[in-house]
Amino acid sequence: NAGVTQTPKFRVLKTGQSMTLLCAQDMNHEYMYWYRQDPGMGLRLIHYSVGEGTTAKGEVPDGYNVSRLKKQNFLLGLESAAPSQTSVYFCASTSGGGIRELFFGEGSRLTVL
Amino acid sequence: AQTVTQSQPEMSVQEAETVTLSCTYDTSESDYYLFWYKQPPSRQMILVIRQEAYKQQNATENRFSVNFQKAAKSFSLKISDSQLGDAAMYFCAYRRRIGNEKLTFGTGTRLTIIP
Repeated sequence: NAGVTQTPKFRVLKTGQSMTLLCAQDMNHEYMYWYRQDPGMGLRLIHYSVGEGTTAKGEVPDGYNVSRLKKQNFLLGLESAAPSQTSVYFCASTSGGGIRELFFGEGSRLTVL
Repeated sequence: AQTVTQSQPEMSVQEAETVTLSCTYDTSESDYYLFWYKQPPSRQMILVIRQEAYKQQNATENRFSVNFQKAAKSFSLKISDSQLGDAAMYFCAYRRRIGNEKLTFGTGTRLTIIP
């Protein structure tokens, strides 16, 4: 039971470098999300997708881009990493809105020096 | 925009006792959904309990129950017979019913269980 898988789990970047976080889910879910978690700030939504080929901005989208070329994958990109992007990133997916549960990945810890 | 407030950054409780975590939210909607998620040290987010706003009856899941006060926009979580495995960060979350793609989280409450 893979569920939601995030890669990589840990990464250290230098300011200005780029990277991509990959989220893969095997539950055939339509909705996928990227959140960041910072101490004292809870989880904040970066971008989300309600289906293959769609993306939308969340609460804190600046400095990030996303793509959903395949239904099972949701990629989060940092084109030019900044220290303010040091965080733990969580991917989540769900079959729809409403009362449905979000299923989360284990998180990816990113440090930008 | 909807906001979710958890005013208790940290709470502690003796093992086997009962603890209540508070959550308030701000919305102009009348129909929505509320959730409590748990994040243990493993970082894995786990759904604890959920509530539909149009249901007056408070949700219950084993030792976990909620006190949903719609008029006061309050959604507290009660944990009975606290166990060591309940130690975690607890997040309250809100989702609108219409245009309900996004889940908005509070800042979390860290719960410590004292043996």
